Amino acid sequence: DTAVSQTPKYLVTQMGNDKSIKCEQNLGHDTMYWYKQDSKKFLKIMFSYNNKELIINETVPNRFSPKSPDKAHLNLHINSLELGDSAVYFCASSGGTDGRLFFGSGTQLSVL
Amino acid sequence: GESVGLHLPTLSVQEGDNSIINCAYSNSASDYFIWYKQESGKGPQFIIDIRSNMDKRQGQRVTVLLNKTVKHLSLQIAATQPGDSAVYFCAEKGTTSYGKLTFGQGTILTVHP
Repeated sequence: DTAVSQTPKYLVTQMGNDKSIKCEQNLGHDTMYWYKQDSKKFLKIMFSYNNKELIINETVPNRFSPKSPDKAHLNLHINSLELGDSAVYFCASSGGTDGRLFFGSGTQLSVL
Repeated sequence: GESVGLHLPTLSVQEGDNSIINCAYSNSASDYFIWYKQESGKGPQFIIDIRSNMDKRQGQRVTVLLNKTVKHLSLQIAATQPGDSAVYFCAEKGTTSYGKLTFGQGTILTVHP
């Protein structure tokens, strides 16, 4: 059973389109995250939710809107996609006091 | 601001050698550090962690060393195998960062048979 699963694995779309990425975790964790990994492999946090409440928003454009319907799900909607949005987006969750993150396998977004 | 960096972006070793991957961090308030391994097409996977009240922790074939005086973290992999080839990241968490992990640049480890 996959602990943190995100869909789709690949997403190819045109500039200006709107797209969503879904994430689900079955670990019973309270906190979920979205990270963006650029072409140089640099991982940067975008958002974090704890029990459906937004706790971290790292200066991400308003075109990105996370939504957490329950603590097991954290979706990411992106409006008006731009070329610079092309990256790999990782969902993650954590539940312990240590801060260890469990990552999904990533969604490779390509904006043409 | 906070930053975590690596001295070497790439490391190439022969199978059976020991590997050492280094990481420098600048946030002296960080109290928890993790090493992650990321294979091609996959998400980062936990390798080993260490708290700031420790200076060494050992796992299976891996050891993490923490030197808080110079803000340096290293990952040692014993008897490196081709399956260890991946990108390795260090990450740190401060005491008031709501679980946010700040990642370093990443080191590409290539193990030659």
